[in-house]
Amino acid sequence: KQEVTQIPAALSVPEGENLVLNCSFTDSAIYNLQWFRQDPGKGLTSLLLIQSSQREQTSGRLNASLDKSSGRSTLYIAASQPGDSATYLCAVWGGSNDYKLSFGAGTTVTVRA
Amino acid sequence: EAQVTQNPRYLITVTGKKLTVTCSQNMNHEYMSWYRQDPGLGLRQIYYSMNVEVTDKGDVPEGYKVSRKEKRNFPLILESPSPNQTSLYFCASSFATPGSGYTFGSGTRLTVV
Repeated sequence: KQEVTQIPAALSVPEGENLVLNCSFTDSAIYNLQWFRQDPGKGLTSLLLIQSSQREQTSGRLNASLDKSSGRSTLYIAASQPGDSATYLCAVWGGSNDYKLSFGAGTTVTVRA
Repeated sequence: EAQVTQNPRYLITVTGKKLTVTCSQNMNHEYMSWYRQDPGLGLRQIYYSMNVEVTDKGDVPEGYKVSRKEKRNFPLILESPSPNQTSLYFCASSFATPGSGYTFGSGTRLTVV
């Protein structure tokens, strides 16, 4: 069974600092990895989708890397802003005999003004 | 606008009273899925559907039913809700081909008293 772990569970930084969020998964036979943002009590907004054949994806201040062989992904958020405060979820689709999206528990980020 | 629409957004009901949460997508996605999100437990898959008339259990299917009579709709049915089904529910959809990424609905907050 695919297990997804996110470290740290919570992070508090001053505005302007770069954020580094980590995600690891146990089964490297994935189809893709997706990073989501969730505001309290709200839905999930897709941030970046990385295919299993890719090493990274970028969107604005966000950059996500994927090392499939070691089962790791990192989400970088440059020059953080108070509006970046949210929970960030990592999810992988697939693993051996596992046709579904498996989520990590998330990293809750607070950016202090 | 491409989206997944869930209704209702909020629902308070009593134990044992049957209810249905609707989910509809306008992206012609083959794959649809239901998740529940609970504090400390993260997002867990309830049921999924690969296509019309094809459904399968996820990790926590007990107490739930689904149907997929049309491609765009995937309702979640609670025949006899219990308080332990109080949760935040999300519907998601995707193309069946791995690699397309998921789109999530805005969520349904269900309280069973």
